[in-house]
Amino acid sequence: QKEVEQDPGPLSVPEGAIVSLNCTYSNSAFQYFMWYRQYSRKGPELLMYTYSSGNKEDGRFTAQVDKSSKYISLFIRDSQPSDSATYLCAMNPDDKLSFGAGTTVTVRA
Amino acid sequence: KAGVTQTPRYLIKTRGQQVTLSCSPISGHRSVSWYQQTPGQGLQFLFEYFSETQRNKGNFPGRFSGRQFSNSRSEMNVSTLELGDSALYLCASSFDGNNQPQHFGDGTRLSIL
Repeated sequence: QKEVEQDPGPLSVPEGAIVSLNCTYSNSAFQYFMWYRQYSRKGPELLMYTYSSGNKEDGRFTAQVDKSSKYISLFIRDSQPSDSATYLCAMNPDDKLSFGAGTTVTVRA
Repeated sequence: KAGVTQTPRYLIKTRGQQVTLSCSPISGHRSVSWYQQTPGQGLQFLFEYFSETQRNKGNFPGRFSGRQFSNSRSEMNVSTLELGDSALYLCASSFDGNNQPQHFGDGTRLSIL
């Protein structure tokens, strides 16, 4: 079993919809949680970085962490075609990031 | 502020050769990490350097090595290349490691023939 499991997708949603992305993890040592967005032929771009359980909001993005359930989520409100990308969750107890496999999202205009 | 710069962007090699990839971190960042990304295995951690010292290492064979220079720039070397080494190699930098957010470059696409 992988340390980080991510819903594989792919997801296809109409413009304006809410996108919901999820990851679960097994290692209780994971303390820091990140979401990255990766466009084709580009490197991952950091979207959200959280430590504590609860919600963190940044514009149209909300990251949710539930350490008791070992479950993290990313919500994208009012999705746009420019949000079409692969989304990766990542987490670490130190500087060695463990990544989910990624979920490819397509937002249809 | 310039981001993480990786060179070259694309590289084609044959089995048995060796290759060196370069990474310039964001100005002021002293920690550099390397990752391998493949369709089958996803993103996997290779190693992390801080102050010219390897501080963390993933589960890769000794053919994969790296180093960091006094200006924080880093290089990664792969010797005796195998077909399975074909991947996107990504470099990420952070201020000092210690769970600071990591910012990635666009990677070097290595193809082994």
